[in-house]
Amino acid sequence: EPEVTQTPSHQVTQMGQEVILRCVPISNHLYFYWYRQILGQKVEFLVSFYNNEISEKSEIFDDQFSVERPDGSNFTLKIRSTKLEDSAMYFCASRTSGGETQYFGPGTRLLVL
Amino acid sequence: GESVGLHLPTLSVQEGDNSIINCAYSNSASDYFIWYKQESGKGPQFIIDIRSNMDKRQGQRVTVLLNKTVKHLSLQIAATQPGDSAVYFCAENIAGNQFYFGTGTSLTVIP
Repeated sequence: EPEVTQTPSHQVTQMGQEVILRCVPISNHLYFYWYRQILGQKVEFLVSFYNNEISEKSEIFDDQFSVERPDGSNFTLKIRSTKLEDSAMYFCASRTSGGETQYFGPGTRLLVL
Repeated sequence: GESVGLHLPTLSVQEGDNSIINCAYSNSASDYFIWYKQESGKGPQFIIDIRSNMDKRQGQRVTVLLNKTVKHLSLQIAATQPGDSAVYFCAENIAGNQFYFGTGTSLTVIP
């Protein structure tokens, strides 16, 4: 069964450093999402991406965040200058153009020191 | 100030009993809902969905009920098994884009 994959599974970084989180969505999916989940809290929407552009973003997704689909399979989330409060699980999700169900990857646990 | 984690509602059931997990959603314009299951250290896993033009939908061992009048969603799990132990989230969606997740309920199945 196809699934969303994410790398790395864990990332530790120093405050102020840049990180890139990678996702490979399900191959025939056209809509891509990033969510985050701070430990013990609810899953929060960050951004949605379709047709090579951002279609919606939340207040969390400020100028330090960016997304990119560099090739036909990868979807990345870049955090330019990480802050302590960026420590969270980051989930990528994808869906087909005709469907509504979003399928989630296993997440990347980011720890900013 | 420092943020603190949310205290999750918890539900403990005996193996073999039925479980009912409830969720209140916020937006009356939401037209699509999903129940997700999240095991420790993993991403949300789709369980069952329902559109706003339905009141009930059944899957394998799971049933979702939607009451739009009071903006309430429930997930019923029949014959609960130890593998059902997880945090369960409802998520609401408007017009197919982002999902808004609830705070979750932690289900513990006692063997």
